Amino acid sequence: QVQLQQSGPGLVEPSQTLSLTCAISGDSISRNSVTWNWIRQSPSRGLEWLGRTHYRSKWSSDYAISVRGRIIIKPDTSKNQFSLQLNSVTPEDTAVYYCARTDIVVAFDYWGQGTLVTVSS
Amino acid sequence: DIQMTQSPSSLSASVGDRVTITCQASQDITNYLNWYQQKPGKAPKLLIYDVANLETGIPSRFSGSGSGTDFTFTISSLQPEDFATYYCQQYGSPPYTFGQGTKLEIK
Repeated sequence: QVQLQQSGPGLVEPSQTLSLTCAISGDSISRNSVTWNWIRQSPSRGLEWLGRTHYRSKWSSDYAISVRGRIIIKPDTSKNQFSLQLNSVTPEDTAVYYCARTDIVVAFDYWGQGTLVTVSS
Repeated sequence: DIQMTQSPSSLSASVGDRVTITCQASQDITNYLNWYQQKPGKAPKLLIYDVANLETGIPSRFSGSGSGTDFTFTISSLQPEDFATYYCQQYGSPPYTFGQGTKLEIK
């Protein structure tokens, strides 16, 4: 059974960096058919896909235009986990952040438990 | 970005009712459409992928149909555990976008 366990702070100051980690059990981060995603949810923006990382002979990541330039999603193969870094945060980045997997079809079949991140001083 | 428009935004129904939710894409997404259920304080749960395919373990009272830009999600006979918020999601092209949700409430 695949499980995704999120960790990271729930409070980030404006202009700082939001950092979250998603630890994977029951699957390999490097398996060829899967992608590892970050999605956030807020009352104002709804569910918003932020980006993903995946391995297809080499590692690559791609991001939503709305956060491109501020976001990095990267794998840690030694720990079978991946991370989200979102730079220069503002109160508009306040949301529940989820990690999620896709396998072959781009349907998010496994999700982390969610982390409420509040951007405030 | 492809916009996904769900209707209605909320719906009141009774146990045993048949309910239908629609989702319209701003451009053709062929069959790249999924449906999720979300309960308060929980992550969304995948119910249907590729328009009409039930995820493993999902009851057959849930179904989906459509193609191109117009899609439908149906619960044939509402059960008490079905009262939740439902979302459609497209993957015709990134960024992968979601509908705004339909909150299904008990009448």
